[in-house]
Amino acid sequence: DAKTTQPTSMDCAEGRAANLPCNHSTISGNEYVYWYRQIHSQGPQYIIHGLKNNETNEMASLIITEDRKSSTLILPHATLRDTAVYYCIVSDYNTDKLIFGTGTRLQVFP
Amino acid sequence: DAGVTQSPTHLIKTRGQQVTLRCSPKSGHDTVSWYQQALGQGPQFIFQYYEEEERQRGNFPDRFSGHQFPNYSSELNVNALLLGDSALYLCASSLGGYLYTDTQYFGPGTRLTVL
Repeated sequence: DAKTTQPTSMDCAEGRAANLPCNHSTISGNEYVYWYRQIHSQGPQYIIHGLKNNETNEMASLIITEDRKSSTLILPHATLRDTAVYYCIVSDYNTDKLIFGTGTRLQVFP
Repeated sequence: DAGVTQSPTHLIKTRGQQVTLRCSPKSGHDTVSWYQQALGQGPQFIFQYYEEEERQRGNFPDRFSGHQFPNYSSELNVNALLLGDSALYLCASSLGGYLYTDTQYFGPGTRLTVL
């Protein structure tokens, strides 16, 4: 079973920041938080990942709470092309797998 | 830098047939994983190949088998196709053999339809 909980869907206005939350209360100390997104019928696209510290790259920022039980993916200036399903995944150390849930469907509107 | 490539893009088969899907990993990667994604669901892990061996396997029957070649490319074979095998089949590549630490990069997928 997936080790994360995400809202089913979210909306965001174009040009505004999109903040996508994820709960992962059972995360272990050596397990990473990964974010991928999937635009309709394409392969998932890697966005960002982190272990303990906040991370930023050219696509997004990842904010992980100090207790590591939740995180937020931030798309600083959402565009229509950011409309996709966003998956928050905690890598499973024991099984060495990524287990996808059903993700958050983000709709960016003009 | 070529990303992960998969062939064919689309495939239509009938029940009971066999199918082979192909994947070339991202340049420099040595690990290939396969996923099945049914409509409206997240990808489900099938298996992982590293050093030409099946290293990890998800909850899929033996009808699903694979192979990794010395150049790290991989094939997914499905025998005795069922209607429920209709899905998007995704290949992902990574470097190092450990899925929980190594970032995976996905290909565009092969859409399999079983009639």
